[in-house]
Amino acid sequence: DAKTTQPPSMDCAEGRAANLPCNHSTISGNEYVYWYRQIHSQGPQYIIHGLKNNETNEMASLIITEDRKSSTLILPHATLRDTAVYYCIVRPRMEYGNKLVFGAGTILRVKS
Amino acid sequence: DAGVIQSPRHEVTEMGQEVTLRCKPISGHNSLFWYRQTMMRGLELLIYFNNNVPIDDSGMPEDRFSAKMPNASFSTLKIQPSEPRDSAVYFCASSSDTYEQYFGPGTRLTVT
Repeated sequence: DAKTTQPPSMDCAEGRAANLPCNHSTISGNEYVYWYRQIHSQGPQYIIHGLKNNETNEMASLIITEDRKSSTLILPHATLRDTAVYYCIVRPRMEYGNKLVFGAGTILRVKS
Repeated sequence: DAGVIQSPRHEVTEMGQEVTLRCKPISGHNSLFWYRQTMMRGLELLIYFNNNVPIDDSGMPEDRFSAKMPNASFSTLKIQPSEPRDSAVYFCASSSDTYEQYFGPGTRLTVT
């Protein structure tokens, strides 16, 4: 399985953009990059995913480098409710289901 | 949609007792996943099912753990006999053939 590297923690001021980096230098050609987050005492929540192109949805934007060895999750206007652990995951090739392997993630603290 | 439903939300039991955790996936989803989360080991995939069939149980820690999915709307994770080191939060998640997994609120298990 491809592995990811994330900083253990980051701080962000409320209202500012939060940029969370992820390295996945051993990613294979057809493996996707997923981002999930886990707010304290809740189950993980899907945020966004991408293969090659940049992606945007109502929650966040995902920027993937051209060589696909790294990506950045952007929360454009962070709020206190965005304080959570953010997981960058590279999806292994599996025929069934969407097997995900969670690493340690990045603890994002949004401060007022 | 009610989302993934797990019961009980909290379980306290004594070492040696049998514990059964229950999960109702989102209607129409064909994959179901059981995860365990501890401070030491983070989020670990225990087992997952596709169309009610177990696909990968390599994460099940030992024979004391078993999981079943008798139909598309119900799954159980059983620990017999339970041990203090089984104390953790157990999450159930489901997905369809899309990319997102939807997680339940978790069951916090304490074995004394």
